[in-house]
This record gives sequence, structure tokens and C-alpha cells, in this order.
Amino acid sequence: GEDVEQSLFLSVREGDSSVINCTYTDSSSTYLYWYKQEPGAGLQLLTYIFSNMDMKQDQRLTVLLNKKDKHLSLRIADTQTGDSAIYFCAEKTGGGNKLTFGTGTQLKVEL
Amino acid sequence: SAVISQKPSRDICQRGTSLTIQCQVDSQVTMMFWYRQQPGQSLTLIATANQGSEATYESGFVIDKFPISRPNLTFSTLTVSNMSPEDSSIYLCSVSVDETQYFGPGTRLLVL
Repeated sequence: GEDVEQSLFLSVREGDSSVINCTYTDSSSTYLYWYKQEPGAGLQLLTYIFSNMDMKQDQRLTVLLNKKDKHLSLRIADTQTGDSAIYFCAEKTGGGNKLTFGTGTQLKVEL
Repeated sequence: SAVISQKPSRDICQRGTSLTIQCQVDSQVTMMFWYRQQPGQSLTLIATANQGSEATYESGFVIDKFPISRPNLTFSTLTVSNMSPEDSSIYLCSVSVDETQYFGPGTRLLVL
């Protein structure tokens, strides 16, 4: 079955690193994604990783994938107040293009 | 990538009425999707809008409640029919480009 879970809240100080975690259950996932949703806005694609990779780095963002444990994480280096938002992980499963979204993690960056 | 626009951006509607949401993409795409995000919740796929054929609905969503049109490769509409307060949500259009999915800004619907 498809079930994607995230912790609900994360609070960090400005300049620290943030790590947002995601667990999924479908071992047939092909791609995994991280989206950002700011208040009153749609979803912004941040980054994604193919299931045969274990790490991807893109500027301040680092994605780690542990396929054995079905665990995905997003690390944001030097977190800024503009990073405050809800972060969703999502997996693409089966042979199609359907995305199953996680519950979302609200990141709060404090001064 | 793809640039997606939606109309209206928000609306307040009376129960029992219907609202049609439009989604426009800046390039031709094969796959278009409609998602719902209920207040404080994650996203749930309503249906896949297929060009030239009927939409494919997910479990729990039916065509009579959420009719969808896909007249061409750049445009789709979602109608929320016979609305009730439980339909108050953000409705998002999405397109698939290669291995990625991009989302529109969403339509914020409040049903009174």
C-alpha cells in the first residue's frame, strides 16, 4: 500500500541546518520529490531523486535516500527565515505518474 | 519546466451551486492532474485529465461530483458540483513533464 509519513513540525534557528524526514512504504517507488508550500501559495518543486540514487545535492539542499529503510530526508543548510514553509515529500509509484504525498512538515525558522 | 495558471484564484460560493476552475499550461503536455488540499491537510489526487477521453478518477471521487474537461493539450477544467461546506479546499492543477510534476498556484474555495 501507499503511505507516506512526516513529522508535523520542525523549529530551527536561522543559520542552522534543518533536516526534514519522510518515510514511505511502497518499495516500487521510482522517483521521490520534495515540494515547498508557502502560506497562500501553490506547491514549488524543490528537488527530486531517482530511486537508484542515495544522495543528491543542489546548492543548499541535500536529499538522502535509504531505500532499504524506505527513508527520505531533506537537509537545508544555513536555514533562512524565507525557508519557513510547509515541506511535502511525495513518491511516484506504479508505472504511472500518480504522486502520493506525505502529511507535510511545517518548518519554522526563528531569529 | 512548465508555467501553470489557474482561474479563479479564490472564490466564496453558496452551498448547492457549482464552480468551474480553469487550468492553463504554457506548453503542450500529455498528463494533467487535479488535486485537492483540504484545510491543514496534504494533497489528494482527484483525477487524471486525459485529452480526448474521459478523466480517470481516484477512489472516493466521482464524475458527477467533479466533472473534468480536457479539450486540448494545454487546458483543462474541473467543476465542483452541488457544493457543500465540506468541499472547502484548495484545488490544484498539476502537469507531468518528463519525470517531474509541476503545480499551479491553486484555487482557494470556501463554501458557505
